[in-house]
Amino acid sequence: AQKVTQAQTEISVVEKEDVTLDCVYETRDTTYYLFWYKQPPSGELVFLIRRNSFDEQNEISGRYSWNFQKSTSSFNFTITASQVVDSAVYFCALSERGKLIFGQGTTLQVKP
Amino acid sequence: NAGVTQTPKFRILKIGQSMTLQCAQDMNHNYMYWYRQDPGMGLKLIYYSVGAGITDKGEVPNGYNVSRSTTEDFPLRLELAAPSQTSVYFCASSPSGSFAGIQYFGAGTRLSVL
Repeated sequence: AQKVTQAQTEISVVEKEDVTLDCVYETRDTTYYLFWYKQPPSGELVFLIRRNSFDEQNEISGRYSWNFQKSTSSFNFTITASQVVDSAVYFCALSERGKLIFGQGTTLQVKP
Repeated sequence: NAGVTQTPKFRILKIGQSMTLQCAQDMNHNYMYWYRQDPGMGLKLIYYSVGAGITDKGEVPNGYNVSRSTTEDFPLRLELAAPSQTSVYFCASSPSGSFAGIQYFGAGTRLSVL
């Protein structure tokens, strides 16, 4: 069965600190996609990134970076120099034939 | 750019009442999904649709029904509301049903059943 685990329930940091959100997944598929979504206090889910199982290159987008390691089945997300606006719930998700399997989410609180 | 629109945003139901959660998208996406999000949990798939007239069950379909008469609309029906259905409901759409498809979400409907 496919599964996504986000072991960190809540993380609290002070503004400008770096923070890493962990995501570990399980799948028997050889081809799959992984996603990160952000859910700010307003409630909607916002797509952040998609990564396929054949592309293990790390990706950086501004203050965000993602580290995908197939050997450890992990797809971690790092925010550099965090800001108050980064406060949100972050979900990691694994695709299964177009259907997303979500982790439990990590609540990030960035304090000024 | 409306994207995915859900109505209502909030609703309180009494046990045994019924209601329909509305979802509409203006992106001409064939694939649409309904999820529920319980406190401290990730989203769980209730039903999905691959196009007008075609729907299928997800992980937690009991107590819900859906229909898809048009590409744009995908309503979710609760027939006999139960306290266990208290949750936040999200509708999503995607241009692709493959495992690569990005899903775009509505703002959610917060439902309480008392």
